[in-house]
This record gives sequence, structure tokens and C-alpha cells, in this order.
Amino acid sequence: GAVVSQHPSRVICKSGTSVKIECRSLDFQATTMFWYRQFPKQSLMLMATSNEGSKATYEQGVEKDKFLINHASLTLSTLTVTSAHPEDSSFYICSARDYYGYTEAFFGQGTRLTVV
Amino acid sequence: KNQVEQSPQSLIILEGKNCTLQCNYTVSPFSNLRWYKQDTGRGPVSLTIMTFSENTKSNGRYTATLDADTKQSSLHITASQLSDSASYICVVSPPSGGSYIPTFGRGTSLIVHP
Repeated sequence: GAVVSQHPSRVICKSGTSVKIECRSLDFQATTMFWYRQFPKQSLMLMATSNEGSKATYEQGVEKDKFLINHASLTLSTLTVTSAHPEDSSFYICSARDYYGYTEAFFGQGTRLTVV
Repeated sequence: KNQVEQSPQSLIILEGKNCTLQCNYTVSPFSNLRWYKQDTGRGPVSLTIMTFSENTKSNGRYTATLDADTKQSSLHITASQLSDSASYICVVSPPSGGSYIPTFGRGTSLIVHP
């Protein structure tokens, strides 16, 4: 089955620094990747949708200058949290789909970000 | 507005018992409905996927049903195990193409006690 790998699984950073999270599709070409944020005991909230080779589409209320998304290849998308604040501490998850949509059921393992 | 409502919000059962989780949706047009299991601190794992023409789909002790007319789905867990303790999320997707964005339910938190 399709595999989506997310790295790192946990990261702790200081306020004001930037953190990059990687999402890789290991055995298929991901034309679209989704980035989600999840607070404790809450549902996944879609942050942005990224299509390979084009700018990401951000959901309302998500700051595109703070959450930089790059999807430069068909197997890799990155989410960079810039100038991190403690309120950015959360669980970030990606999912990926191929052109036909067969693989959009698969999520990465998630990244627990803690900003201190 | 597309919505997915799940019930109950939380559920506690004893090991070995059965339980059923509910999902009602208003997503239209509709392509498929998926049930996921999400362990704490992990990404969701797909349990079942059903298109509008399917009524039931099983995956081991998990059986999902779908009534596309009433826009309702259920996930039945048989002979629950301690490892079934997790959040179960219902996700409804429109057809691919265009502004394809799936709609997530808030999930049902299941706790299985010995």
C-alpha cells in the first residue's frame, strides 16, 4: 500500500526560530499534499493544500507567511513554521494523494511540535 | 455547508463487548466515505473506504455500513480489544478534481477497559 513518511516525529524549538517538517510519498507520486493541524482532543483542521510545482492554497485564517509550504517535487512537500511561538505548539499531519486520488487515504505519522 | 457529524463524542466499553459509532454527513456531491483510527500522537490509519454504491465494508473486526440515501454511516467494532482504544474519525470526500477537499468529523473517542 501507499506509504507517506513524515519527519521529524517530534521537535522542540525555541520561540522565534523556524522549524521545517517534511512529508514524503515513498512509493507513489503525490501530485497533491494536504497539511493538517490538530489540537488535543480536536479534529484535524486543514491548513493548506499543495500541488506539485505550484503555490499552496491556504485555508481561511492560516497565515501563509508564517506557515511556508513547498511542494517542489512529486515525492516531497515541506511545511516550515517561521518565527515559532508557543501557540504554534500542536500536532501537524500531512496526507498525500496521487493524480487519480487513490492514495489520499494515507497519512503521515504526524509531527509533535513544541515551542518553548 | 458540508458537514460531518459523529456520535457519540466519547464511549467507554468493557473489553470483549461490541460497539457502534455513527456518522451523519451533508457533503454533496459525494464520492466516498472513509473511517480512520487515530491513536494518540499518531497519524490516522484508514480502516475502510466506501463509495456511494457500497452498503457495507469489513476489515477484520471492523464493519462499516453506508446508507447514501439518508447520508448515514456506522462503524461496528466486534469483540473489542484494549488496543481498540483510540479516536475514530469519519471523513467524507467529494469527487476528485476542482476544489477537492475532504470533510472531517470531530471523531469519537473510544476507551476499552479490561
